[in-house]
Amino acid sequence: DGGITQSPKYLFRKEGQNVTLSCEQNLNHDAMYWYRQDPGQGLRLIYYSQIVNDFQKGDIAEGYSVSREKKESFPLTVTSAQKNPTAFYLCASSMGRFNQPQHFGDGTRLSIL
Amino acid sequence: SQELEQSPQSLIVQEGKNLTINCTSSKTLYGLYWYKQKYGEGLIFLMMLQKGGEEKSHEKITAKLDEKKQQSSLHITASQPSHAGIYLCGAVPDLDEKLTFGTGTRLTIIP
Repeated sequence: DGGITQSPKYLFRKEGQNVTLSCEQNLNHDAMYWYRQDPGQGLRLIYYSQIVNDFQKGDIAEGYSVSREKKESFPLTVTSAQKNPTAFYLCASSMGRFNQPQHFGDGTRLSIL
Repeated sequence: SQELEQSPQSLIVQEGKNLTINCTSSKTLYGLYWYKQKYGEGLIFLMMLQKGGEEKSHEKITAKLDEKKQQSSLHITASQPSHAGIYLCGAVPDLDEKLTFGTGTRLTIIP
């Protein structure tokens, strides 16, 4: 079955540590996205990529980095510069532009040790 | 920037009853999307609406986009425990604009 796989489901970060969240899709979608979800704030866009080897900052990119070396993969690194990383992170993909429905993975919950 | 307001924020409904959730935008909508989320899980795409007056149904869930394209409603008929979760609306104001989400409506179904 086609879908989006995020791993790990739970992740713990120590102070000063960078951590990477994995997102893989086999839907043959061109565009991929990373969102952060906090209680009462809805989803906020971190980064997005509409084509391989290209990505754009979203609304809250500071303290995060991404890469898009393959169409299927869009990993997100939460760097030590992100001072409040505790959140639920969601990866999504779509056929192309923003007006196409986005399909989501099951999320990664990141906590601070 | 576009803002989406959902109402109510939470809803408790007896099983078998009908309910409606609303999503109001500060801008005219190019596209409106409804998603469902169970706690701690990803979002499940329900429906997309683009044309003013458009109405779509899936099983017992019906969504409509008003003529002026600034408000959408999601109606559930004869609610069941499987309908429980958080319903989020998302919207794009124009073709190349980013998708913005509402803060969600938490639906609880009681026996």
